[in-house]
This record gives sequence, C-alpha cells and structure tokens, in this order.
Amino acid sequence: QLQLKESGPGPVKPSETLSLTCTVSGFSITDSKFFWDWIRQTPGSGLEWIGTISYTGITYYNPSVQSRVSMSVDISTNQFSLNLRTVTAADTAVYFCARHRAGVYRDFDFWGQGILVSVSS
Amino acid sequence: DIQMTQSPSSLSANIGDRVTITCRASRDITNNLNWYQQKPGKAPKLLISRTSTLQSGVPSRFSAIGSGTEFALTVSSLQPEDFATYYCQQSFSVPYTFGQGTMLEI
Repeated sequence: QLQLKESGPGPVKPSETLSLTCTVSGFSITDSKFFWDWIRQTPGSGLEWIGTISYTGITYYNPSVQSRVSMSVDISTNQFSLNLRTVTAADTAVYFCARHRAGVYRDFDFWGQGILVSVSS
Repeated sequence: DIQMTQSPSSLSANIGDRVTITCRASRDITNNLNWYQQKPGKAPKLLISRTSTLQSGVPSRFSAIGSGTEFALTVSSLQPEDFATYYCQQSFSVPYTFGQGTMLEI
C-alpha cells in the first residue's frame, strides 16, 4: 500500500535552511510514470506548488521560490528531499509531499499527511 | 502564472442538496483541471482528474465538466462526509496552481 510520509528536524529560525524528507513506501520512486512533488499550505496563501523531481533528478521549481529551493532524490532509500534556504516567517506552512502522475493526467494522486514547519526566532 | 479563481469561497448547504462549485482559469487550460477534497487536518484527496475523470472509489454523486477557462464540480446529493473544502488545480503548465478553495458547510 502506497504511503508517503514527511519528516524533518522541527522549527527553523529565520535565514536558516528548511530541510524535509519524504519517505515513500509500498511503491518504487523509480517508476518513470511518476514525478515526486512538494506542496505547501498556509492559511493566507492556500495551496502552493513548490516543485517536482523525477527519479533521474530532473527538477522543475516554482519561480516564487526558485532562487532558494533545491530538491533531490535517493533511490537507494526510496526518498526525496526538499531544501529551502534563507527562510522567513512567510515560509511557515504545512508541507506536503505528493506523487505526481506524469503524462496525460499530471495530477497529485497520493499525498503525505503533511508536516507543519514553523519559522520563528 | 495561471490564476485559478473558485466561487463561491464558502457555501452552506443541507444533506441531500445539489451543489455546484465553479473554477475559472486566467487563460485557456484546455481540459487540464483537477479537483481535490480536503478535510480539516488532512491532506487533499484527488477526486477528479483531467476535468471529468472520477478517481477510483469516489462516489458517482460527484461529477465535473468544463473546458478552456470555465469548469464546475457538482455534488448531486450531499452526504455528511462531503462537507469539506474543495480545490481546483490546473495542470496545463508549470507552475501548477490551485484555486483558493471552496468551503462546503452544513
């Protein structure tokens, strides 16, 4: 049974780097029909797509964060990760990882439960 | 970026009612529109892909239509478990963008 689960070190201070990992179980991230995405949600801005990565490391990022973001994939552990540099309070959000169907649909068909990341001094 | 605008932002309805939520794109996205349902404290759940394709396990009381810039999600007879927030999302081009959500309340 496919599951995605976000993990991270907890609160982040302003100007530091937010690092999250998504562990995928019950499905191989090397399936070429899928990409792997990060999406965040704030009360004020709603749902915001951050970026996507393929198992081969191809990435696309939202221009809103492109200068600060990087994503990586580790096929040996079936995980993918998000790094967001120089964070501010505006980056406080619930961060979701999600499976993204490539091809015709391009939807987010499975999501992790989400992890709240607070940016605060 | 393609802007997605949903209406209404919130909607009060009763069990058994038929409700429709609309979603408008700032430019033509053909049929590249997905709908999600989110309940408090949970992740969004994919309901409908590519304008009108119901996901496996989604009740047939959910349906959706549209093309170009105008789309709509209809629930034909509301059940208690349908009270949630609904989001549209365009998959026509990156950055993928979501509507602001429609909260469906009793």
